[in-house]
Amino acid sequence: KAGVTQTPRYLIKTRGQQVTLSCSPISGHRSVSWYQQTPGQGLQFLFEYFSETQRNKGNFPGRFSGRQFSNSRSEMNVSTLELGDSALYLCASSLNGGNEQYFGPGTRLTVT
Amino acid sequence: GENVEQHPSTLSVQEGDSAVIKCTYSDSASNYFPWYKQELGKRPQLIIDIRSNVGEKKDQRIAVTLNKTAKHFSLHITETQPEDSAVYFCAASRSGGSYIPTFGRGTSLIVHP
Repeated sequence: KAGVTQTPRYLIKTRGQQVTLSCSPISGHRSVSWYQQTPGQGLQFLFEYFSETQRNKGNFPGRFSGRQFSNSRSEMNVSTLELGDSALYLCASSLNGGNEQYFGPGTRLTVT
Repeated sequence: GENVEQHPSTLSVQEGDSAVIKCTYSDSASNYFPWYKQELGKRPQLIIDIRSNVGEKKDQRIAVTLNKTAKHFSLHITETQPEDSAVYFCAASRSGGSYIPTFGRGTSLIVHP
């Protein structure tokens, strides 16, 4: 079974721009969660989507948004990028949320 | 909400020694406790998990113990090898439905040959 995939793997953007990241979950998984990982901050939860609906939300500003499509693929968008948004963005899929999560390889975003 | 504390933040051991990483959680309703290993430049990978109906689970050189009364759980790695060097994350969650895990801040394990 194919694992979780994320595209692109690397991105360099300028302050003020916006960016869209994509995540394809394991086939059959309906829950997709997004995390921001920075040195020293661990895994910060952004939001979770299940059956095309945002089911859980972390404590991030409204510049961070997402969506999920009917095939469970998910996208995350960050608008008006700031230097502090530079991070590794990980998505994780699970069958139904709340149980085993499987992570994608991440998208490394650098904001200059 | 749930709060997970993880200690130590860094652990350095000699090859062959044992390593123990400890986590505490705050939500007494949490009943699912996974551990993830993240090697440098790679994705976090689920290595072992435990549910609240058992006190210990083993898989070869790794084991996890859970004390629900004290609300803490630990990862034990025996006979450590250099390839065990990585960042380890614990997490706590209510299983199923709409719950998502809360992660600890990670432990950087360094195994010296």
